[in-house]
Amino acid sequence: QKEVEQNSGPLSVPEGAIASLNCTYSDRGSQSFFWYRQYSGKSPELIMSIYSNGDKEDGRFTAQLNKASQYVSLLIRDSQPSDSATYLCAVLFGGGSYIPTFGRGTSLIVHP
Amino acid sequence: SAVISQKPSRDICQRGTSLTIQCQVDSQVTMMFWYRQQPGQSLTLIATANQGSEATYESGFVIDKFPISRPNLTFSTLTVSNMSPEDSSIYLCSVTDREGTIKLFFGSGTQLSVL
Repeated sequence: QKEVEQNSGPLSVPEGAIASLNCTYSDRGSQSFFWYRQYSGKSPELIMSIYSNGDKEDGRFTAQLNKASQYVSLLIRDSQPSDSATYLCAVLFGGGSYIPTFGRGTSLIVHP
Repeated sequence: SAVISQKPSRDICQRGTSLTIQCQVDSQVTMMFWYRQQPGQSLTLIATANQGSEATYESGFVIDKFPISRPNLTFSTLTVSNMSPEDSSIYLCSVTDREGTIKLFFGSGTQLSVL
């Protein structure tokens, strides 16, 4: 069974801090990794994609991928209350799959 | 990314009835999908909507319960048939981006409550 695991949280951080969200996956052959943000009552919004080992930065967001350890993380610097949402990790498994598998998401709360 | 319009945005339905959800994209897209998100859960893929042919359903989902149409490359419908309270969920239309890569983008969703 190919799985994507996330801690459901909630993860609570103070405003201005770094929020670290983690995701592990079961398939060593996975190639593509995505982070979505979902506000309560809204649909998921793609915020980051990463395909190779290392870090990828986009504004306050940094995605980190370690294929050997089979984890991908999302760092949010200078967290703002507006970052409070559920963050979904999605992984495109190997073997010819063309549809990502989603984790359950981590709820992030940024308090003033 | 494509602009994806989904309607209705929410509905409250009676047990045993059916609801059809529409998904309209502002440009032609290669692939369209329908997802379900039950309360507190992640996204579950219902089916891939195939243009001009029958949809491809995931395990646990059947055509009689979730008939899907896709008459062209910009439009699809999902019907939730003979509804029960267990069908109360958010239903999401999703498409790949214009380049046909595997990045998924989502419509605004339909919040369905079945009484």
